[in-house]
Amino acid sequence: GENVEQHPSTLSVQEGDSAVIKCTYSDSASNYFPWYKQELGKGPQLIIDIRSNVGEKKDQRIAVTLNKTAKHFSLHITETQPEDSAVYFCAASTNNAGNMLTFGGGTRLMVKP
Amino acid sequence: EADIYQTPRYLVIGTGKKITLECSQTMGHDKMYWYQQDPGMELHLIHYSYGVNSTEKGDLSSESTVSRIRTEHFPLTLESARPSHTSQYLCASYRDLSDTQYFGPGTRLTVL
Repeated sequence: GENVEQHPSTLSVQEGDSAVIKCTYSDSASNYFPWYKQELGKGPQLIIDIRSNVGEKKDQRIAVTLNKTAKHFSLHITETQPEDSAVYFCAASTNNAGNMLTFGGGTRLMVKP
Repeated sequence: EADIYQTPRYLVIGTGKKITLECSQTMGHDKMYWYQQDPGMELHLIHYSYGVNSTEKGDLSSESTVSRIRTEHFPLTLESARPSHTSQYLCASYRDLSDTQYFGPGTRLTVL
């Protein structure tokens, strides 16, 4: 089955700096890659996703890149703010949608003011 | 934004008690899921359902059981709670072929 690895497990940045979280997946048939943000006391919320027919996608300060050959994808957050502090999860699925997701282990991002 | 609800949000109970965690969604989604989230953050799929009267076990073995009698409702039951069941339980539902899973706020369960 699919295996998704996520790094780093914790990340501390200064406000205004950029943050990058990386994930690798094992199943070359995976074609859908969402990213979730989980704030304290809440459930994970979808923040951005990408499908395998696209190499990069941006939404304001966040972007995701996908390298199918290397089987890895990354989340980029620019101009970080304290409210970006949360746990971020990557995930992968093989049916081009979020029917059955395999999650990475999570990254705890701390943005220091 | 998805409308998916979980109750209770927090529950502290004693060993041996029977409990039911409620999950409901108002969007008519066919597919629903239960995840267990350990203190190390990882999400583990414990149950899922593709529709009414359909339930399957997930990747992580769990002593809990689920039922799906109505599309909007997917409760999880522990017949006899133990301290090892202490965890965060997250419910999710899935919209359609071009979309992803949407999560509820979670239930934090503590078994003493």
